[in-house]
Amino acid sequence: RKEVEQDPGPFNVPEGATVAFNCTYSNSASQSFFWYRQDCRKEPKLLMSVYSSGNEDGRFTAQLNRASQYISLLIRDSKLSDSATYLCVVRMNSGGYQKVTFGTGTKLQVIP
Amino acid sequence: SQTIHQWPATLVQPVGSPLSLECTVEGTSNPNLYWYRQAAGRGLQLLFYSVGIGQISSEVPQNLSASRPQDRQFILSSKKLLLSDSGFYLCAWSRQDLYGYTFGSGTRLTVV
Repeated sequence: RKEVEQDPGPFNVPEGATVAFNCTYSNSASQSFFWYRQDCRKEPKLLMSVYSSGNEDGRFTAQLNRASQYISLLIRDSKLSDSATYLCVVRMNSGGYQKVTFGTGTKLQVIP
Repeated sequence: SQTIHQWPATLVQPVGSPLSLECTVEGTSNPNLYWYRQAAGRGLQLLFYSVGIGQISSEVPQNLSASRPQDRQFILSSKKLLLSDSGFYLCAWSRQDLYGYTFGSGTRLTVV
């Protein structure tokens, strides 16, 4: 089982729609969670951290479910500019040291 | 504020030629430094990471090498490139506690 798994998509949604991505992680000792956004042929950039109580940043809501070992990202009122690949990132203890693992990403295409 | 510089942006090299990609970080000291590769349509693959000058850890066997001659300089090299070395190479830095993962703008390498 992969350490971090995401549905690769693509998710094709119309403008204004609400879309949600899930990401599962295998290591229960995982400590910190993030969502990154990567535009086509660009570097990944931090979108938001994911806090235990859930957090919101404008149209974006991130949630963590430690019991089921998944995190989610909800995007409301999708814009064309939201089209990108969204990477789930997990910081965990592995073999006595800490490391950061990136998911392979979920591609979102917002359609006019 | 911290910035990370990576160059060149694109590179076309013949098979068997050498490679040198450079990455520098400004505005911080003693960062963790990373080299990733992202093949077309694939996830990020960690190649090397460094927690200090002269300290390099390799994640995957390959014909690439990395060096850290100065605190904020990280270099990715190869003596002889293979076709399979083509990809998008990303340098990143983080704090020692692994927070603040930030990527450079990447180098798109095509080996022909």
